[in-house]
Amino acid sequence: GAVVSQHPSWVICKSGTSVKIECRSLDFQATTMFWYRQFPKQSLMLMATSNEGSKATYEQGVEKDKFLINHASLTLSTLTVTSAHPEDSSFYICSSTSEGYEQYFGPGTRLTVT
Amino acid sequence: DAKTTQPPSMDCAEGRAANLPCNHSTISGNEYVYWYRQIHSQGPQYIIHGLKNNETNEMASLIITEDRKSSTLILPHATLRDTAVYYCIVRVRRGSQGNLIFGKGTKLSVKP
Repeated sequence: GAVVSQHPSWVICKSGTSVKIECRSLDFQATTMFWYRQFPKQSLMLMATSNEGSKATYEQGVEKDKFLINHASLTLSTLTVTSAHPEDSSFYICSSTSEGYEQYFGPGTRLTVT
Repeated sequence: DAKTTQPPSMDCAEGRAANLPCNHSTISGNEYVYWYRQIHSQGPQYIIHGLKNNETNEMASLIITEDRKSSTLILPHATLRDTAVYYCIVRVRRGSQGNLIFGKGTKLSVKP
């Protein structure tokens, strides 16, 4: 399958700081990227959908001002967790798709807020 | 998108076939059956998908019943590395659009 990378793979930050996570589609130009969040022993929950060049669409209950998503190019999307708090500690996973391609996932980023 | 029902967990002996069932009794005519798996602390991995015909690839086989209300993912020779949570998802295939809605999946444990 296609390769999607995420950076960093894990990050520890202090409460109140901001953290940026990058998602790159390496094999194809992704017109759409998704951001998911997964808490321990739970399934993946969709946070937002982003299409290249337009504003992201957030799922109900996800604060758009707290989770800033930028999809500036067909191969890169970023998720910035602003003013992080311990309850934002989670496993963040992105995925990429495009016409003719299935949805391929990145390896995930483990965020720990202390 | 239709919902699916999967057993929460299954065991399988290494080298044997793993048969993972999925019920999707409310599936619509234009909805596909997708299977993904998630190995611990990794992102989900695409396995296979189908509409109504049985499908096979290098990873697995997908058997869909004639009425399309259920399906079975078959891993022909399970290995320890196949231990993962397997998700059955049904959705309309809209080209590049359409997020995946993950249920709780089946935790498959392959034992030596």
